[in-house]
Amino acid sequence: GENVEQHPSTLSVQEGDSAVIKCTYSDSASNYFPWYKQELGKRPQLIIDIRSNVGEKKDQRIAVTLNKTAKHFSLHITETQPEDSAVYFCAASRGSSNTGKLIFGQGTTLQVKP
Amino acid sequence: NAGVTQTPKFRILKIGQSMTLQCTQDMNHNYMYWYRQDPGMGLKLIYYSVGAGITDKGEVPNGYNVSRSTTEDFPLRLELAAPSQTSVYFCATEERGYTDTQYFGPGTRLTVL
Repeated sequence: GENVEQHPSTLSVQEGDSAVIKCTYSDSASNYFPWYKQELGKRPQLIIDIRSNVGEKKDQRIAVTLNKTAKHFSLHITETQPEDSAVYFCAASRGSSNTGKLIFGQGTTLQVKP
Repeated sequence: NAGVTQTPKFRILKIGQSMTLQCTQDMNHNYMYWYRQDPGMGLKLIYYSVGAGITDKGEVPNGYNVSRSTTEDFPLRLELAAPSQTSVYFCATEERGYTDTQYFGPGTRLTVL
């Protein structure tokens, strides 16, 4: 079946460094790719998303890139801060985004050391 | 504007018991979802609804049932609870046609012993 692979499972960086999380999806019909941040004991919250007609999207210190040919997309966080420490999940729409259903990666625990 | 609310926050069930997890939203979103999140794992879709009176199965529907009689409420029913259903359950809504963003409730932590 369709799946989303996310790497790495854990990532530790020094404050101020950049962090990159990568995801690969299998469903060639997927056309919507959101990223969620989940702090400990809290709900997932959308931080950025990208659609298949765009190759890159940026919002302040975070950016997402998409390579449709290779079926992978990545989250880039620059100038990391301790408050960026959380679990990050990528997701891909199941089939076209008209269904509203998402397939989630297994998550990356990001630790930013002061 | 409360957004998406879930009750209860925590619950411990014995094997074989039943319960209903409540989810209510005041955002007037038609699409609603139930996910479970096992420790160290991503979110798995249990059931979803595209509007009142319409529900459909997700990836892991076995052992659960849902109903959607109103736009606001989307309860998840567990019948004959099993230890494998120990998880954190999240309800989410989606603003279709504009941003497609899914908004999550605070979650219900369920333990089945």
